[in-house]
Amino acid sequence: DSGVTQTPKHLITATGQRVTLRCSPRSGDLSVYWYQQSLDQGLQFLIQYYNGEERAKGNILERFSAQQFPDLHSELNLSSLELGDSALYFCASSVALAGSQETQYFGPGTRLLVL
Amino acid sequence: SQELEQSPQSLIVQEGKNLTINCTSSKTLYGLYWYKQKYGEGLIFLMMLQKGGEEKSHEKITAKLDEKKQQSSLHITASQPSHAGIYLCGAERGGSQGNLIFGKGTKLSVKP
Repeated sequence: DSGVTQTPKHLITATGQRVTLRCSPRSGDLSVYWYQQSLDQGLQFLIQYYNGEERAKGNILERFSAQQFPDLHSELNLSSLELGDSALYFCASSVALAGSQETQYFGPGTRLLVL
Repeated sequence: SQELEQSPQSLIVQEGKNLTINCTSSKTLYGLYWYKQKYGEGLIFLMMLQKGGEEKSHEKITAKLDEKKQQSSLHITASQPSHAGIYLCGAERGGSQGNLIFGKGTKLSVKP
């Protein structure tokens, strides 16, 4: 158990819908990262937050957004869902800003299926 | 952009055999991470290598970083069925951004 929790574990929804994925980082970790894992693209970085502020953006679509709250939990919002958004979404956390080579610990993931 | 290439893509070994997985970067490596993933589950952190020539071991798994070759290798000695899974290498992008890029993974099966 990495100490990172994600809810829900599974999510099935329809195209055009909006969903929210939730992540609670390990106790004491200030950085939260979101990744998407799909069969064709592999594991890809979406967005990073540090202590409530957005720090880096990766291959995140405009239909996706995220935020980190004062209690450090984070939510990833996916809207106008398409079939291609079906994937495993992982949250990871680390103590500090990466670049200081802090290990990222991954949650169990949320499996999203868009029908 | 930086890319990580892992080889082999998949590997089937007999229990008790040794094996090596390689991860090669197209650019300079600023920290190399190895993770293990069971199918459809979360990533389990194995090791982080920071400096060229660094070597770390955990139980029967050893990882090395060759900075000049921009490559890391993961070696498993006397493999067991519990070693089966997907091994992913990750690297910090560019040194200034903290987010990780990952290789496509190496799927390891261990036959009892």
